[in-house]
Amino acid sequence: SAVISQKPSRDICQRGTSLTIQCQVDSQVTMMFWYRQQPGQSLTLIATANQGSEATYESGFVIDKFPISRPNLTFSTLTVSNMSPEDSSIYLCSVEGGQGDTQYFGPGTRLTVL
Amino acid sequence: AQTVTQSQPEMSVQEAETVTLSCTYDTSESDYYLFWYKQPPSRQMILVIRQEAYKQQNATENRFSVNFQKAAKSFSLKISDSQLGDAAMYFCAYRSQETSGSRLTFGEGTQLTVNP
Repeated sequence: SAVISQKPSRDICQRGTSLTIQCQVDSQVTMMFWYRQQPGQSLTLIATANQGSEATYESGFVIDKFPISRPNLTFSTLTVSNMSPEDSSIYLCSVEGGQGDTQYFGPGTRLTVL
Repeated sequence: AQTVTQSQPEMSVQEAETVTLSCTYDTSESDYYLFWYKQPPSRQMILVIRQEAYKQQNATENRFSVNFQKAAKSFSLKISDSQLGDAAMYFCAYRSQETSGSRLTFGEGTQLTVNP
């Protein structure tokens, strides 16, 4: 399985500001995914990021709020823009690899918005 | 759209005993994957076990095994000889095989407590 790192691991931000989360993989991957996990809840897919094309967003998530970059096959960023306390969540990136298109996850970024 | 349901928000087990976590799903597809992930307090999502729908044989990984009932759309996880380190939130997940790069659909999770 791929080794995935995320930065920052956690942050506390003021409302109205933006935070960019980085996801780095130790091997080239086609598909990268960004998930949100709100407190006490399950994971919800925000978007799928392919290298060289625009990210595909799920219903309820828009590019203006969650812009994503995918400059190469090992790296992606997710920005949480104009943050409000409702954006307080864990944000996780994942990649497909190994058998059966299994997804492997990064360690997550815990975001708290005051 | 596919849905995944975990009807047990919390479960507990004594150390060294066996526990079974339930998962049901709804889909009209015939080819898909099912997964169990573990999320300890560190919040890292760790793959526990995977099952391909076309395989009748239940997947096994050491102390972890599944009971896959395709007709009933049921995918339960059995943990044998439970250890303190098994304490975590467990998520069941579905992935379509019919669409490349398809999303994972997760259940609500089951919080497992292991009592010494």
